Amino acid sequence: NAGVMQNPRHLVRRRGQEARLRCSPMKGHSHVYWYRQLPEEGLKFMVYLQKENIIDESGMPKERFSAEFPKEGPSILRIQQVVRGDSAAYFCASSLDGGKEKLFFGSGTQLSVL
Amino acid sequence: GESVGLHLPTLSVQEGDNSIINCAYSNSASDYFIWYKQESGKGPQFIIDIRSNMDKRQGQRVTVLLNKTVKHLSLQIAATQPGDSAVYFCAEKRGASKIIFGSGTRLSIRP
Repeated sequence: NAGVMQNPRHLVRRRGQEARLRCSPMKGHSHVYWYRQLPEEGLKFMVYLQKENIIDESGMPKERFSAEFPKEGPSILRIQQVVRGDSAAYFCASSLDGGKEKLFFGSGTQLSVL
Repeated sequence: GESVGLHLPTLSVQEGDNSIINCAYSNSASDYFIWYKQESGKGPQFIIDIRSNMDKRQGQRVTVLLNKTVKHLSLQIAATQPGDSAVYFCAEKRGASKIIFGSGTRLSIRP
């Protein structure tokens, strides 16, 4: 049973470009969380999704950031017109029963904006 | 606040000694707590969890204590080993399903 898969592992973008981060949850999990982490800091909650629904996006910036979790395929975190301040590690986690069970994390995507 | 802080506090422990990592939470309504371990360049790894109807839970070499009166959580690691070196985060469930992380503690093991 594969764990949470995130790709790419590293993503380099120039300012103004778009970044698309993908996350495939563990088999059987329908709850996905996205977190952002800066060096030497904790994980900051961004968004919580279930299949085809955004449940809580209170941690996501109102502009340029969006997330989806379609019926088929991985969850996508999309950052439009990236700026240097978007450089961070982005982690995805999945759970079997949102919030009632532990989260399983992927290895993250390190986004670097030049 | 949520996972704030520019520098992680560090706990240095002699190999073989017990480690105690502390965490304060703010929301008295939180009913589920989790400890995670994060090694450099990796995602957080689940260690142990506890629900608010308990005050202690034990795993293999780890114990989590929950004091709801003072909103305090601790992780005890017995006979600390070099492989325990990592950053440790406590997390709490807020509301229906939002999991919020604390600021983390770096555990350093002295040989």
